[in-house]
Amino acid sequence: EVQLVQSGAEVRRPGESLKISCKGFGYTFTRHWIGWVRQMPGKGLEWIGIIYPGDSETEYSLSFKGQVTISVDKSINTAYLQWGSLRTSDTALYYCARQRAAYSGFDHWGQGTLITVSS
Amino acid sequence: DIQMTQSPSSLSASVGDRVTITCRAGQSISNYLNWYQHKPGKVPDLLITSAFSLQTGVPSRFSGSGSGTTFTLTINSLLPEDSATYYCQHSYTNIPSFGGGTKVEVK
Repeated sequence: EVQLVQSGAEVRRPGESLKISCKGFGYTFTRHWIGWVRQMPGKGLEWIGIIYPGDSETEYSLSFKGQVTISVDKSINTAYLQWGSLRTSDTALYYCARQRAAYSGFDHWGQGTLITVSS
Repeated sequence: DIQMTQSPSSLSASVGDRVTITCRAGQSISNYLNWYQHKPGKVPDLLITSAFSLQTGVPSRFSGSGSGTTFTLTINSLLPEDSATYYCQHSYTNIPSFGGGTKVEVK
């Protein structure tokens, strides 16, 4: 069974760093793009960026370029989303999701990681 | 990034009604268009890929159409469990942006 399991909720202060994870199970991790999606409280889904675990090719939405870093450790089937300096506006639910195939939709999603940034 | 625009942003309909949601892309995306259903407290669920291909297990009352820049999601014979927010998303590039969402309330 395909599963994406994300790390748990985090509470941080503004200016702190953070790295959250998304571990894949039940499929060949290196053969499917993994994307990251943000949902701010009461708002819609926003695309952050994507990584191909096979070669670590990464692309970011213009809105998030320079604000976050996406990486992968294919030896442990895990993708990461990290911040160097959090802001209160980063408070949101973050999902990872697996792309089913090239040019296709995202068919499996992690359970979401809630990030709260507050002073 | 390709801009995706959905309309309406919300709607209310009765059980048994037919509802249609429209999604417009800022440029042609061929048929690389996906639809998701998102219920509160749940993860988004992929309903349709390639504009009209239903995912396995998705009820046949859901259908998608369109190509180029204009797409529609239709729900026939609306049921109470269809209450959710629906999102379109293109997959034409590696920045597969979402529409703003359409909240469907079933009366």
